[in-house]
Amino acid sequence: AQTVTQSQPEMSVQEAETVTLSCTYDTSESNYYLFWYKQPPSRQMILVIRQEAYKQQNATENRFSVNFQKAAKSFSLKISDSQLGDTAMYFCAFMKHKASGTDKLIFGTGTRLQVFP
Amino acid sequence: GAGVSQSPRYKVAKRGQDVALRCDPISGHVSLFWYQQALGQGPEFLTYFQNEAQLDKSGLPSDRFFAERPEGSVSTLKIQRTQQEDSAVYLCASSSISVEAFFGQGTRLTVV
Repeated sequence: AQTVTQSQPEMSVQEAETVTLSCTYDTSESNYYLFWYKQPPSRQMILVIRQEAYKQQNATENRFSVNFQKAAKSFSLKISDSQLGDTAMYFCAFMKHKASGTDKLIFGTGTRLQVFP
Repeated sequence: GAGVSQSPRYKVAKRGQDVALRCDPISGHVSLFWYQQALGQGPEFLTYFQNEAQLDKSGLPSDRFFAERPEGSVSTLKIQRTQQEDSAVYLCASSSISVEAFFGQGTRLTVV
């Protein structure tokens, strides 16, 4: 069975600074996807960034980037130039690879990020 | 609509009452997932549909939970004889052939 662990229940950062959220996972699968989702108070999960396990290059989306260490089973999220709107719960998630489409997501327990002015 | 729509947004049920939660996926999305998110926790998988076929219901916590998607579009999650431990946010997600799942805003169920 796959597990996802987020060891930081809460983090805080000042506006315009950089913050890194940690995530580790356990799996025996060789091909899979990893995701970071943002959940604001509206409750809707919003995809921030995704990483395919077979790709060695770390994914980047504007101010968001990941540090994917496959051997260590580590997948951290770096948020640069933090903005007040980044305040939310952040969830790391794992998904097995499927030939087509989406499989179920396995989520961590989340990290609450507070961005201060 | 353009996104996944869930209704109601909030539901208060007395213990023992039956409830039905609705999910309208994005039009044309083949896959539909239900998740349960307890307070302060990450979402946990409940069940999965591909079109009208329920291919995985391994996450349903008891036989009081039942889900259907009869025409391969709208889905309903039904909980019979609700108990306090059923209090949670129920999230629905849909996807097409890509790996990205799109989530609705969830239904917050409170059992009193």
